[in-house]
Amino acid sequence: AQKVTQAQTEISVVEKEDVTLDCVYETRDTTYYLFWYKQPPSGELVFLIRRNSFDEQNEISGRYSWNFQKSTSSFNFTITASQVVDSAVYFCALSENTGNQFYFGTGTSLTVIP
Amino acid sequence: DAGVIQSPRHEVTEMGQEVTLRCKPISGHNSLFWYRQTMMRGLELLIYFNNNVPIDDSGMPEDRFSAKMPNASFSTLKIQPSEPRDSAVYFCASSRQSYEQYFGPGTRLTVT
Repeated sequence: AQKVTQAQTEISVVEKEDVTLDCVYETRDTTYYLFWYKQPPSGELVFLIRRNSFDEQNEISGRYSWNFQKSTSSFNFTITASQVVDSAVYFCALSENTGNQFYFGTGTSLTVIP
Repeated sequence: DAGVIQSPRHEVTEMGQEVTLRCKPISGHNSLFWYRQTMMRGLELLIYFNNNVPIDDSGMPEDRFSAKMPNASFSTLKIQPSEPRDSAVYFCASSRQSYEQYFGPGTRLTVT
């Protein structure tokens, strides 16, 4: 079974729209870490955020915000007022306390149309 | 501080040739990961090392693939002999335990 599910394969939005990327995870560990990465068309994988399982506080960084809800095992990512530069593939990942292996989702390809 | 360094950035080789990909992790990181990314299979973990010791190589596709980490600042991924289906982007990443992984720029491998 997939430990990290990103059900949205592709999303297209018009510039300045808000968009939310969904991430659902599965783990039996009580201590774990969640991550988001961005992969722009240039190909590199860029770390965006890390959250640990004991911190359910939502995080905001500029136009980016993250909503962590243990009750639904979700760690969703919202981009406010999207821009063309946000076009990329976004990956959600999980690391469990039993090891430091990452489990990546299959990614969501976001296209922001000017 | 320099990020993860990978070389070469691009490699074109003929089927049957040996290919060696190299990675220098970020100084102070004790875990190193090799991934492969293709359109069909997405991002796949091949192997990871903790303190230079291979921990899980279950993602290595077959015996043609091997990886080594002789010291904390260097790792290699070798494919011998290479096949066209090995064409992919190979990423190396490093991290401290349970912390975020930092990825190198990747090596784009084409096997003809």
